[in-house]
Amino acid sequence: AQRVTQPEKLLSVFKGAPVELKCNYSYSGSPELFWYVQYSRQRLQLLLRHISRESIKGFTADLNKGETSFHLKKPFAQEEDSAMYYCALTDTGRRALTFGSGTRLQVQP
Amino acid sequence: DAGVIQSPRHEVTEMGQEVTLRCKPISGHDYLFWYRQTMMRGLELLIYFNNNVPIDDSGMPEDRFSAKMPNASFSTLKIQPSEPRDSAVYFCASRSLGQGSGELFFGEGSRLTVL
Repeated sequence: AQRVTQPEKLLSVFKGAPVELKCNYSYSGSPELFWYVQYSRQRLQLLLRHISRESIKGFTADLNKGETSFHLKKPFAQEEDSAMYYCALTDTGRRALTFGSGTRLQVQP
Repeated sequence: DAGVIQSPRHEVTEMGQEVTLRCKPISGHDYLFWYRQTMMRGLELLIYFNNNVPIDDSGMPEDRFSAKMPNASFSTLKIQPSEPRDSAVYFCASRSLGQGSGELFFGEGSRLTVL
């Protein structure tokens, strides 16, 4: 069974500090990993996906198959990064995404 | 396209009442998903459809929950009878694996409160 674990419900940092949102998964096949973000009063939206290997809004995430992790990182947090972040995975056969329980990021001025 | 459209945005009802949530997916998307969001459990997949056919309903909590997709542009999630523990935000999402990146697009959600 697929499972996504986000151990932190809340992460609070100061503006300019580095951010790391943790995500671990369990899946025996070749998963595809995503990060979704939900800003206040906005829809849940895709932030980035591991196959794209891109940086969005300064965020990056590297898939570590050995540690089964897909942590989201940003070197310098901004106040506008405050939001709810969800890690998700799917496989090539199953079309639905399995989400973690989410981490709320608070960036204080 | 206006994106995934859900209604109602907010629903307050009393225990025992029937609740119907509605969703219009993005035109051309062949997958539709219903998720439930709570503080404790985050986003849980309830059911998803492919070309209007239910594929996996293993996440539906119990028989009080049912979902239908009579055509490619409309789906409903029904709770009958509703209970206070059903209070949550229900999201509909759609995607097309044959177009673009296959990204999952979410609606704004329906916030349900059962008193």
